[in-house]
Amino acid sequence: DTAVSQTPKYLVTQMGNDKSIKCEQNLGHDTMYWYKQDSKKFLKIMFSYNNKELIINETVPNRFSPKSPDKAHLNLHINSLELGDSAVYFCASSQANFRDSLLPQYFGPGTRLTVT
Amino acid sequence: GIQVEQSPPDLILQEGANSTLRCNFSDSVNNLQWFHQNPWGQLINLFYIPSGTKQNGRLSATTVATERYSLLYISSSQTTDSGVYFCAVLPLDSNNDMRFGAGTRLTVKP
Repeated sequence: DTAVSQTPKYLVTQMGNDKSIKCEQNLGHDTMYWYKQDSKKFLKIMFSYNNKELIINETVPNRFSPKSPDKAHLNLHINSLELGDSAVYFCASSQANFRDSLLPQYFGPGTRLTVT
Repeated sequence: GIQVEQSPPDLILQEGANSTLRCNFSDSVNNLQWFHQNPWGQLINLFYIPSGTKQNGRLSATTVATERYSLLYISSSQTTDSGVYFCAVLPLDSNNDMRFGAGTRLTVKP
């Protein structure tokens, strides 16, 4: 059973389009995340959700919007795609403990987005 | 913000060799994890180790939180160990904002 799954695995689209990436976790975790990995392999957190509430929001363009229909899902919507959005996007999840310190994060397989 | 530095940036080993990867961080942390990104891009959680020492097969990790560093040891390396190893930390004053190092790219040759 896949713990954290993402779809699609690959996404090729043209500038200006709107696209979504879906993420689901079956671990029963409270918190889910989206990360962006650039061409130099640098990983940067974009968003996290805890119990359907956005708790951090890095300085990403507002063209990116996370949407969480329930605790097991955190989808990423991207409007008006730009060339610079090309990257690998990873979804992750974890279970927060009582001190708000994160327990291990588990990552999905990634979605490689290519904007042409 | 917190700085996370990994060394070396690149490492080439012959199969069977041992190696040590280092992660230095500039501030106190609540959480530290080591990840392996394999050549297919998959991120694998190796260790959750905010302090102390853990071992899993040929891999082990040690974090000395008071001195702000962590080490990942790989013994008897195999070609399947190739990939990029990331250290990620959660600063004390952070709200779920994990910070990743730039990674160590390991190549194990047969």
